[in-house]
Amino acid sequence: KAGVTQTPRYLIKTRGQQVTLSCSPISGHRSVSWYQQTPGQGLQFLFEYFSETQRNKGNFPGRFSGRQFSNSRSEMNVSTLELGDSALYLCASSPFVPYNEQFFGPGTRLTVL
Amino acid sequence: AQRVTQPEKLLSVFKGAPVELKCNYSYSGSPELFWYVQYSRQRLQLLLRHISRESIKGFTADLNKGETSFHLKKPFAQEEDSAMYYCALMVGGSEKLVFGKGTKLTVNP
Repeated sequence: KAGVTQTPRYLIKTRGQQVTLSCSPISGHRSVSWYQQTPGQGLQFLFEYFSETQRNKGNFPGRFSGRQFSNSRSEMNVSTLELGDSALYLCASSPFVPYNEQFFGPGTRLTVL
Repeated sequence: AQRVTQPEKLLSVFKGAPVELKCNYSYSGSPELFWYVQYSRQRLQLLLRHISRESIKGFTADLNKGETSFHLKKPFAQEEDSAMYYCALMVGGSEKLVFGKGTKLTVNP
């Protein structure tokens, strides 16, 4: 099976712009989660989607949003970018079997100038 | 609130030496704990989960609810074990993982 894919892999934006990141889960996986990874804060949970519904949301401002499509692909959007949004954004998919493994993508490296 | 603490940012051992990576958690519910590993230039991947009680690549981890710990151990470290290790807590009823800040393990020849 192909692994989790994320596009684009690298992105450079300026403050105030918005950005959309995409994640394609492993075939058959219906749960998609997003994480932000920074050197200072480590890995922080953003949100989780299952069957097109947001099931959980982390402690991030409303500028961070996401959605999931009927084919389980997911997108996250960050509006009004700030310098502090520079990070590696990781997507993970899971077959939604309790306490099962989450499979991570390679991440999208976002740099905000 | 859920919290995972990995007290060591860096850990360096020699090949063949025992290694223990510490993890402590804070969670009011019944904890489900994991160790994830990231080798150089590779994706974050699951190493082991407490519920399976398995040994992967010689690593084991025992959940100690009294001490709220889930330390990762290996009796004889190998150079290929050098990586970043993350302890994670799964919040009940969801796929949300709360990660520790990670420990970078270096195994010297």
